[in-house]
Amino acid sequence: DIQLTQSPSFLSASVGDRVTITCRASQGIRSSLVWYQQKPGKAPKLLIYTASTLQSGVPSRFSGSGSGTEFTLTISSLQPEDFATYYCQQVNSYPLTFGGGTKVEIK
Amino acid sequence: EVQLVESGGGLVQPGGSLRLSCAASGFTFSDHYMDWVRQAPGKGLEWVGRTRNKANSYTTEYAPSVKGRFTVSRDDSKNSLYLQMNSLRTEDTAVYYCAVTTVTTWALDYWGQGNPVTVSS
Repeated sequence: DIQLTQSPSFLSASVGDRVTITCRASQGIRSSLVWYQQKPGKAPKLLIYTASTLQSGVPSRFSGSGSGTEFTLTISSLQPEDFATYYCQQVNSYPLTFGGGTKVEIK
Repeated sequence: EVQLVESGGGLVQPGGSLRLSCAASGFTFSDHYMDWVRQAPGKGLEWVGRTRNKANSYTTEYAPSVKGRFTVSRDDSKNSLYLQMNSLRTEDTAVYYCAVTTVTTWALDYWGQGNPVTVSS
């Protein structure tokens, strides 16, 4: 199975900060990586697919990059509504797997 | 508007069975792969299983943790997805989400609201 390691697992940031979250895969997964945002008590929401394609309706301050084993999610200017937990998921091979999550909290 | 509404969750004893349902609307259900994902209390997301569409013979895939105990199925005539859970264990306690995958994104594009399942004596 492909393991995904997210870092950091927790980060504290202020409104307006640039935030970067990393997701590392235990083996190469090409660009088969997805990012989701989840707020407390809610279902996850798709942000980015194929590593760097922004889902329709997602603000352009979100961006994704990477291929192979290392990927990043960047929020260029953190907004109050962005405080949430972010998960990466590999869709390259079964079983599909998620990273452990990164919780973004207000400093 | 895409809607996915789960039902059938609740409290069950270890070793018991439960069947979850997911009613879909707002898209052509029969065209899409459908997935189940779960989240244990205070934990991260875990993919459970998938059913492909008719064009791909309704074949299924499972996470190792549930293979042989859980079965994903669908009824395209009812726009419904199911998760039959047998031999339940306390570690299966979680909120269970259904989700739709498109072959455009290969991501879980839309999710239901979640359905809690508690396995406890």
